[in-house]
Amino acid sequence: NAGVTQTPKFQVLKTGQSMTLQCAQDMNHEYMSWYRQDPGMGLRLIHYSVGAGITDQGEVPNGYNVSRSTTEDFPLRLLSAAPSQTSVYFCASSYSGQNTDTQYFGPGTRLTVL
Amino acid sequence: DAKTTQPPSMDCAEGRAANLPCNHSTISGNEYVYWYRQIHSQGPQYIIHGLKNNETNEMASLIITEDRKSSTLILPHATLRDTAVYYCIVRPLYNQGGKLIFGQGTELSVKP
Repeated sequence: NAGVTQTPKFQVLKTGQSMTLQCAQDMNHEYMSWYRQDPGMGLRLIHYSVGAGITDQGEVPNGYNVSRSTTEDFPLRLLSAAPSQTSVYFCASSYSGQNTDTQYFGPGTRLTVL
Repeated sequence: DAKTTQPPSMDCAEGRAANLPCNHSTISGNEYVYWYRQIHSQGPQYIIHGLKNNETNEMASLIITEDRKSSTLILPHATLRDTAVYYCIVRPLYNQGGKLIFGQGTELSVKP
């Protein structure tokens, strides 16, 4: 299994540009989520999904859109990038079984918005 | 989810046990204690979790006090590769979406 994969690894955007961060998992996990991590800070939850077709907001959802059309993929869209969105973005997935929903994280996407 | 308090940093000598404390005085009866760690620039990695009994796996041991208001993660023989930020998280067992609320964590430095 490849686990959780994220693309791209690095990205530089100009203010106002849009882009999609890709996340995929091959573990047949129902749960997927997106976090951002600013320098020296812990991770903050942006959006999450409990299954295909179902998404919900986390702590810091503004400026981001998500969709979940398949179990495997959970893309994160920035509609109009702002410098405040400069951060490292991590995608995670987990099985929904009781007491076994250990989160598996991807390697991250490092985004800089100029 | 209950809030946790961890020391911002700790040092440990290589080969010695690293004991990382966590206070969670407002933990509810249905909340588990989870530990994750994040090695520099990588995604967080699950370590261990428990409800009220002490737990051990191949990575670490988790000691939870009887009143469940605090816990300690123990790395029995720390190596340089254990240098990381360690996050203590409390959350309900039935957490739809597997959501995690991260605090600031403890930055553990293992020194030769």
